[in-house]
Amino acid sequence: GIQVEQSPPDLILQEGANSTLRCNFSDSVNNLQWFHQNPWGQLINLFYIPSGTKQNGRLSATTVATERYSLLYISSSQTTDSGVYFCAVEDTGGFKTIFGAGTRLFVKA
Amino acid sequence: GAVVSQHPSWVICKSGTSVKIECRSLDFQATTMFWYRQFPKQSLMLMATSNEGSKATYEQGVEKDKFLINHASLTLSTLTVTSAHPEDSSFYICSARPARREAFFGQGTRLTVV
Repeated sequence: GIQVEQSPPDLILQEGANSTLRCNFSDSVNNLQWFHQNPWGQLINLFYIPSGTKQNGRLSATTVATERYSLLYISSSQTTDSGVYFCAVEDTGGFKTIFGAGTRLFVKA
Repeated sequence: GAVVSQHPSWVICKSGTSVKIECRSLDFQATTMFWYRQFPKQSLMLMATSNEGSKATYEQGVEKDKFLINHASLTLSTLTVTSAHPEDSSFYICSARPARREAFFGQGTRLTVV
């Protein structure tokens, strides 16, 4: 099956810093999503981005489908950005959404 | 956005009993829903695909007799953990996808078996 790799696994930032999270996937995909999982476990949809670039406030994402990777940019990080960021892809065969291992982000005040 | 509601949010049960978790799509119909399991500090692992009106499709290594899935309507799928044991304690999350849109997830159910 398709493999999804995220890096880095852990990241500590000083408040105000910028960061880039990466997601590599091993095969063609129908869709790609970025999520933020909050401390209560809720998955918050950040981006639905099978290709191209999107921006939402301090967050932006770029997916280069032909090269099988996606990047999530966080600018001017805040303590409330802390949590786990997941990349998830939908395979072309069965419409399953497969998750990467996540990046655990901690933003220090 | 589309809303997927999961109930209960948390449940504690005694070892040997069964627990049912509901997943509802509130503002769209879903012929297919998905059930995931997440252990502490780990990713979400797909357990099974729930198909309305037919049998669920389970991922390799998932016991279908332990995790019973029923998808009786276009807006409701249920996951029943049968004869629960402490090792079944976990965070269970469902998802559904409206036509031509991204997947949306329920708020999750934290199951503790004592």
